[in-house]
Amino acid sequence: GAVVSQHPSRVICKSGTSVKIECRSLDFQATTMFWYRQFPKQSLMLMATSNEGSKATYEQGVEKDKFLINHASLTLSTLTVTSAHPEDSSFYICSVNPSSGGYNEQFFGPGTRLTVL
Amino acid sequence: QKEVEQNSGPLSVPEGAIASLNCTYSDRGSQSFFWYRQYSGKSPELIMSIYSNGDKEDGRFTAQLNKASQYVSLLIRDSQPSDSATYLCAVNGGDYGQNFVFGPGTRLSVLP
Repeated sequence: GAVVSQHPSRVICKSGTSVKIECRSLDFQATTMFWYRQFPKQSLMLMATSNEGSKATYEQGVEKDKFLINHASLTLSTLTVTSAHPEDSSFYICSVNPSSGGYNEQFFGPGTRLTVL
Repeated sequence: QKEVEQNSGPLSVPEGAIASLNCTYSDRGSQSFFWYRQYSGKSPELIMSIYSNGDKEDGRFTAQLNKASQYVSLLIRDSQPSDSATYLCAVNGGDYGQNFVFGPGTRLSVLP
C-alpha cells in the first residue's frame, strides 16, 4: 500500500475565511493525487486530480476558483477552500495511486473534516 | 450515465454468519474493481481488489467478479462485530479512465 497523511484532521472556521488542507505522500513520490469530498451518509465524490508541476483537472461542477489545488512537489498537494461557506462543510479526503506491480489501487489519507460556521 | 450501484442497507447479520455485499456497474469497459471499508468518521480502507472474472480470497474476505453480468460481490465469512462498517464498491477503467467511481456504499451491522 501507500501511506498518506493529511493536515489538519479537523478544522472549524467562520464563513468567508479560507482553509488550506495538506496531503502528503509519505512513502513514495506521487505525480498525481486525488481530492474527494464526502457529505454525511453519501459516497465519495471526486473533486479534482492534482498533477505535480501542472494544473489540476477538476470534475464537472467543481469550481476551480473556489477550490484551489497546488501540487508543489512529488510528496505534497494542497487544497485551499476559498471564502468557505456552510455548504462547504464536508469530509475532504485525498488519495494516491502508487500503481506498483502494475496494479491500479488508490490509498486514502485520514481525511479532514471541515465545519464552516 | 455511468454508475456504480449498491444496496444502501443496512444489512444486519449475526456474529459468525456470512455477510454478502453486492455491487453492479454500468460501464462494460471497466477493468478494475475494489472494495473499501469505511468506519464512521474515518476514511476508506482498501480491503480487496479484483481484476479478472472469478473468485479472489484473502483471509475471511472473498471477492467475486462476473464481467458478463457487470457484477462484483464481497463475502465476509465468520462476520465479527468489528466488521460493522460501510463497504464501498469502486470501479476503474473503461470510460472512467484512471478515475475511480464509487458506489453509495452498503452499511453492514454485525450483531453480537
